[in-house]
Amino acid sequence: DVKVTQSSRYLVKRTGEKVFLECVQDMDHENMFWYRQDPGLGLRLIYFSYDVKMKEKGDIPEGYSVSREKKERFSLILESASTNQTSMYLCASSGGIRYNEQFFGPGTRLTVL
Amino acid sequence: DQQVKQNSPSLSVQEGRISILNCDYTNSMFDYFLWYKKYPAEGPTFLISISSIKDKNEDGRFTVFLNKSAKHLSLHIVPSQPGDSAVYFCAASTQGAQKLVFGQGTRLTINP
Repeated sequence: DVKVTQSSRYLVKRTGEKVFLECVQDMDHENMFWYRQDPGLGLRLIYFSYDVKMKEKGDIPEGYSVSREKKERFSLILESASTNQTSMYLCASSGGIRYNEQFFGPGTRLTVL
Repeated sequence: DQQVKQNSPSLSVQEGRISILNCDYTNSMFDYFLWYKKYPAEGPTFLISISSIKDKNEDGRFTVFLNKSAKHLSLHIVPSQPGDSAVYFCAASTQGAQKLVFGQGTRLTINP
């Protein structure tokens, strides 16, 4: 079974802090994704990566950056956290013949005060 | 521009009855559709999928129907069980694309 892990389940940060969210997958998947989930808005794609050091913007990249230095690890960075970035952040990966099917981590509930 | 829409934010169903969750899409290029289930404080888990070459796919209590002309898909759960209470997301993609486009989700509550 694919396992996607996220570094923290709950995180509380202050406005203006730099925040790092880490995601690791163990299935050698090429693709990795960062979403945020907000009530009534579903899952919105922030960034995705289809290979090491490769990234593409999703639908809501403003205020975020990403890093993929190794195939199994995809990091989401909030350069200067703001209260409107309080959300549930979900990491996912996909690859192989079932590339359409994304496997999700447990999520990180980030609160920015 | 919401390409995938789930117009019912919530649905309440009696245990043992059928649950029907609906999803509409606008992009005619979508050719692969998925349903995910999400419990609170957990990530979404894949439930069932359907390719546009089919109009029905069944897996145990779960059946997904696709109506391409109406750009509509639905998920049927029969019989509904208390453990089915969760948020359900539909998602769509195009052939060869790695990205999925998700709907807003429908919260399903199964009442005993």
